[in-house]
Amino acid sequence: DSGVTQTPKHLITATGQRVTLRCSPRSGDLSVYWYQQSLDQGLQFLIQYYNGEERAKGNILERFSAQQFPDLHSELNLSSLELGDSALYFCASSVEGSNTIYFGEGSWLTVV
Amino acid sequence: GESVGLHLPTLSVQEGDNSIINCAYSNSASDYFIWYKQESGKGPQFIIDIRSNMDKRQGQRVTVLLNKTVKHLSLQIAATQPGDSAVYFCAEKASGTYKYIFGTGTRLKVLA
Repeated sequence: DSGVTQTPKHLITATGQRVTLRCSPRSGDLSVYWYQQSLDQGLQFLIQYYNGEERAKGNILERFSAQQFPDLHSELNLSSLELGDSALYFCASSVEGSNTIYFGEGSWLTVV
Repeated sequence: GESVGLHLPTLSVQEGDNSIINCAYSNSASDYFIWYKQESGKGPQFIIDIRSNMDKRQGQRVTVLLNKTVKHLSLQIAATQPGDSAVYFCAEKASGTYKYIFGTGTRLKVLA
């Protein structure tokens, strides 16, 4: 158990809908990262937050957004969902000064 | 959930033999590297890391080798066990950045 908690574990929704994925980082970790893992793309970096502020942005679609709250948990919002958004979405966290990031168990999103 | 990356390169190894998993990284400015293990339905799990000022680092049953000249990273697993069966990813990060770039992964199958 990495200490990173993600909910929900599984989610099935229809195209055009919006979902919110939630992440609680490890205790004491200020940085939160979101990654998308699909069959043909591997692990793709979406976005990173540090202590509530966006720190780095990757290949995140405009239909997707994220935020980190004062209690350091983070949410990834996915809207206008398409079939191709079906994937595993991972949250990871790290402590300041450490290069190592620790992953949660992921949220499996299926868009039908 | 089913594991992703069904089209990954696969390495099959006899139980008890040593395994060598290779990774070519892309950015010559990368100065930190991590190996992750991902079991089916789980998040990537940290195995071992290495900084660019090192050529070799050893852990418990695992060794990471770094060849900066050819931008190559390898993970050696000694006395491979059935529990080592998983997908293995390398990740790189450049100094001054917060973005980790993941390789496509290699599936390790341990044969009894």
